[in-house]
Amino acid sequence: EAGVAQSPRYKIIEKRQSVAFWCNPISGHATLYWYQQILGQGPKLLIQFQNNGVVDDSQLPKDRFSAERLKGVDSTLKIQPAKLEDSAVYLCASSLWVTEAFFGQGTRLTVV
Amino acid sequence: GQQLNQSPQSMFIQEGEDVSMNCTSSSIFNTWLWYKQDPGEGPVLLIALYKAGELTSNGRLTAQFGITRKDSFLNISASIPSDVGIYFCAGNPYGGSQGNLIFGKGTKLSVKP
Repeated sequence: EAGVAQSPRYKIIEKRQSVAFWCNPISGHATLYWYQQILGQGPKLLIQFQNNGVVDDSQLPKDRFSAERLKGVDSTLKIQPAKLEDSAVYLCASSLWVTEAFFGQGTRLTVV
Repeated sequence: GQQLNQSPQSMFIQEGEDVSMNCTSSSIFNTWLWYKQDPGEGPVLLIALYKAGELTSNGRLTAQFGITRKDSFLNISASIPSDVGIYFCAGNPYGGSQGNLIFGKGTKLSVKP
């Protein structure tokens, strides 16, 4: 069974630029999550989708972050404009049962 | 916001030794999960616990859901070099949206061969 696919693996941008991350969940998983993991900390949920609807986006900084999941499969997370404190690993996860989330390898973002 | 206190933050052990780490919270959780993360990789699910008092094993790993629903522990028996990594506890808080996992800050495990 293929795992959660994310791209790119690494991204370096200057502050105030925009960036987008892509995620393809495990086939058949209705729930998709985006987490932010700052160095030395555990992942923090940004947004949770159930099919193509948003379940929880309470911790998403909506002034600069946006996410969509068209057709209930792939998802993109966008940051515009980026700030230095956005430097982190962005993890996508998916689940069949709501709480057993399976993670991708993540995208390491560095904002300079 | 809700937080999980994970301890110890790091530990060094001799190969073959048993390891114990735990996670506590001031509030009740519906679900406890334990993940392992290797450098440059995403977290990998080790064990999921769904009922207070539940004790579950996965090979050399054993985890328990505390009866107060505010804590969980993970034990690793007879550690080997490939156990090195960061172990995270995660929980779904009672009253929160399903799937919203709160993560601890991790326990970094280093094994001396």
